[in-house]
Amino acid sequence: EVQLVESGGGLVQPGGSLRLSCAASGFTFSDYDMHWVRQTPDEGLEWVSAIGTAGDTYYLDSVKGRFTISRENPQSSLSLQMNSLRAEDTAVYYCARRLESYGHDAFDVWGPGTVVTVSS
Amino acid sequence: DIQMTQSPSSLSASVGDRVTITCRASQTISSYLNWYQQKPGKAPKLLIYAAYKLQSGVPSRFSGSGSGRDFTLIINTLQPEDFATYYCQQSHSSPRTFGGGTKVEIK
Repeated sequence: EVQLVESGGGLVQPGGSLRLSCAASGFTFSDYDMHWVRQTPDEGLEWVSAIGTAGDTYYLDSVKGRFTISRENPQSSLSLQMNSLRAEDTAVYYCARRLESYGHDAFDVWGPGTVVTVSS
Repeated sequence: DIQMTQSPSSLSASVGDRVTITCRASQTISSYLNWYQQKPGKAPKLLIYAAYKLQSGVPSRFSGSGSGRDFTLIINTLQPEDFATYYCQQSHSSPRTFGGGTKVEIK
């Protein structure tokens, strides 16, 4: 079964750090671009970061310089290191697999999400 | 960034109804449009990609259409398990952006 499972969420003070992980199984992890998407009641769904199969990385402007995405292909693992956290980073964070088909792409597999709360 | 606007933000419908949800992009995105379904406490689920292509395993009562700026998701013969929130998402440009969602509630 194709599956993604996030971990590492929790309560952190503003300015603090947190590292999210995503364990993949049931597919060849190294063949896929992987993404982080977050969701809040107010802002809805928001793409955060991506890492390509070659290790190229991409970030939402508001997290550039604070978040770092990485992958460990032998362990089928994706990570998001989040530093200098702000209240507006509070959200459910999902890891998602990118489906690519004839030049179109979508997020075809999602984890259940992990909750990050930034508050004093 | 491309803004995605969905309408309505919510609707009430009965089992067996035909439901139509629209999504408009702030600029032309050709057919680079995806639709997701999300139930409370769960992750989004991909229903349709490239505007009209049904994701594997998704019932055929779901269909998508449109190109350019305007897109439509239709649910034919609404089933009890279809009561959820639906989101559109553009895959034309980075960053990928989502619509605000349409909540389909039981009438």
